[in-house]
Amino acid sequence: DAKTTQPPSMDCAEGRAANLPCNHSTISGNEYVYWYRQIHSQGPQYIIHGLKNNETNEMASLIITEDRKSSTLILPHATLRDTAVYYCIVRAPGGSQRNLIFGKGTKLSVKP
Amino acid sequence: KAGVTQTPRYLIKTRGQQVTLSCSPISGHRSVSWYQQTPGQGLQFLFEYFSETQRNKGNFPGRFSGRQFSNSRSEMNVSTLELGDSALYLCASSEGVRAEAFFGQGTRLTVV
Repeated sequence: DAKTTQPPSMDCAEGRAANLPCNHSTISGNEYVYWYRQIHSQGPQYIIHGLKNNETNEMASLIITEDRKSSTLILPHATLRDTAVYYCIVRAPGGSQRNLIFGKGTKLSVKP
Repeated sequence: KAGVTQTPRYLIKTRGQQVTLSCSPISGHRSVSWYQQTPGQGLQFLFEYFSETQRNKGNFPGRFSGRQFSNSRSEMNVSTLELGDSALYLCASSEGVRAEAFFGQGTRLTVV
């Protein structure tokens, strides 16, 4: 079972920031938080991951709370092409936990 | 770098037949994982290979099998196809134990 909880859907206006929350209250000390997204009928696309510090790349920012029990993915200027299902996943490196366990994700709809 | 390549993209098979799907990972990636995605069950892990060895297997019947070759390319095979095997089959590759996984576009299998 997925170890994360996400809202099933969210809307965002084009050009505005999209803030996607994720709860992972049972996260272990060595588990990373990963974000992927899946645009309709395509393979999931890696976005970003982090352990405890906030992370930023060309696609998004990841804010992880100090207790690591929740995180927020931020798309700073959402476009229509960001409409997708976003998955938040916790994953430990190595061993049998290397497989990604996808939950139901958040369906983000970016509207003009 | 070229991305993960899956062939074929679309496939229609008849119940009882068998099918082989192919995955070429990103150059330099030694880990390959397979996933099945259906509307009802979502994304489910099938198996994972690293350096030609199966490291992990999901909860699927023995009809589902796979292998990895010395050049890291991987194949998965489904024998005695059932209607419920209709799904998007996704392959993902990664460099190593802590690296993010990159997905291919998938193979859409329809069993009639």
